[in-house]
This record gives sequence, C-alpha cells and structure tokens, in this order.
Amino acid sequence: DAMVIQNPRYQVTQFGKPVTLSCSQTLNHNVMYWYQQKSSQAPKLLFHYYDKDFNNEADTPDNFQSRRPNTSFCFLDIRSPGLGDAAMYLCATSRLSSGANVLTFGAGSRLTVL
Amino acid sequence: DQQVKQNSPSLSVQEGRISILNCDYTNSMFDYFLWYKKYPAEGPTFLISISSIKDKNEDGRFTVFLNKSAKHLSLHIVPSQPGDSAVYFCAARLISSGSARQLTFGSGTQLTVLP
Repeated sequence: DAMVIQNPRYQVTQFGKPVTLSCSQTLNHNVMYWYQQKSSQAPKLLFHYYDKDFNNEADTPDNFQSRRPNTSFCFLDIRSPGLGDAAMYLCATSRLSSGANVLTFGAGSRLTVL
Repeated sequence: DQQVKQNSPSLSVQEGRISILNCDYTNSMFDYFLWYKKYPAEGPTFLISISSIKDKNEDGRFTVFLNKSAKHLSLHIVPSQPGDSAVYFCAARLISSGSARQLTFGSGTQLTVLP
C-alpha cells in the first residue's frame, strides 16, 4: 500500500543532543510537510518542500532544519533540542490539485527531551 | 493568533445518537475546509472536505455544514458508532499565490462514543 512512513516512532534524546527524524513516501507526491504537535494543541507547520523548493514558516526556530534528498525522503534535523521541543512530529505529503489539497500523514515521531 | 478554533476539547455521545463537532475560523480567505480523524498512535486521516462555495457536503454517515457569514463549520456524524471515538481536527486551506496551499489546523476535539 502506498503510504507515508516515519522513523523512529519514538525518540528520546538529551538536552542539546542533535536528532534526525526521517519520513519516506511511496505516493510520489510532490509536496512534503513537517508539522509539530504539542499535547492538546493544533499541529503547527514548520516547513514544507514543493519538489526541491524549501519553504520555511516565519516563526520556525533556526534550531530546526530540513533536507529532501529526493522525492521519496525528507528529514527533520533538530540541531540542539531543548525541553520545549518535546512534541509529536508529523510528516505529511500531498499532490497539489485544484481541490482541497488533502494531506496524507505518517504516524508521527514522538520526541522526548531529557 | 489562532485562525482555526475548536472550542470543545472533548465530547461524549451515546452510540446511535448524533455527534456534532464544531469549528470556528477568523480568516475569510480560507477557500477549503477539511476534517481529519486521528486515532491514538496513528497519524491524522482525511475524513471529508467542503469548498467555501458550498454550504453542505455529505459522505455516508458524515456531513459537514459551512456557515460563511458566521465563519463556522460543523461535522455531523449520524449514527455515531464506538469506532468513531477519536480526535477530530478541523483544518482550513488559505487562498494564496503560494504553490503548496498549506493547511491551518484547529486544536482538535476528542470524541468518545459510549456503547
């Protein structure tokens, strides 16, 4: 089945120790998104790639970086995680159309910072 | 500034009855609205959408109503089933010149359908 896979599902890191979360997709969608969701809050868009074009949200901290080496993969790098970065990180993909732009989400990576 | 608001963090409904989940928005430039459902330990999955030029869209047990003048939409589930118990997110798409047409999400409502 075509899908969006995130790894790892659970990541524990120490304060300040870099972390990389990965996302892969078999849908051949041209847009990939990274959302951060903290408990009981709305998912917040960090950035997205439209093909190879990177688009950063204005309020995304510099601590967060992303890479998209090819259509299928996208990575989220957190250079120096702080306690406030503990959250669920959701990867999503879409194929742009004139319709609603339905996003397909992965199951998420839950980050714990000690 | 939260542009999409779901003011009820939780809702409990008896099996077989109607569930009504509400969502308010502030930006009149949203052109599509979507509902997502999320089970624990899974990512959100798309449920139903509605264009801003319509006031109702129906898909089986799920109906979404849009009231543009009130900037309000609601999701009706009839009849509610225990398997509908999940977190429901309202999302809105912004008309923009940008190509990715990203979505803005509400904070979600936890629906519990009691058997």
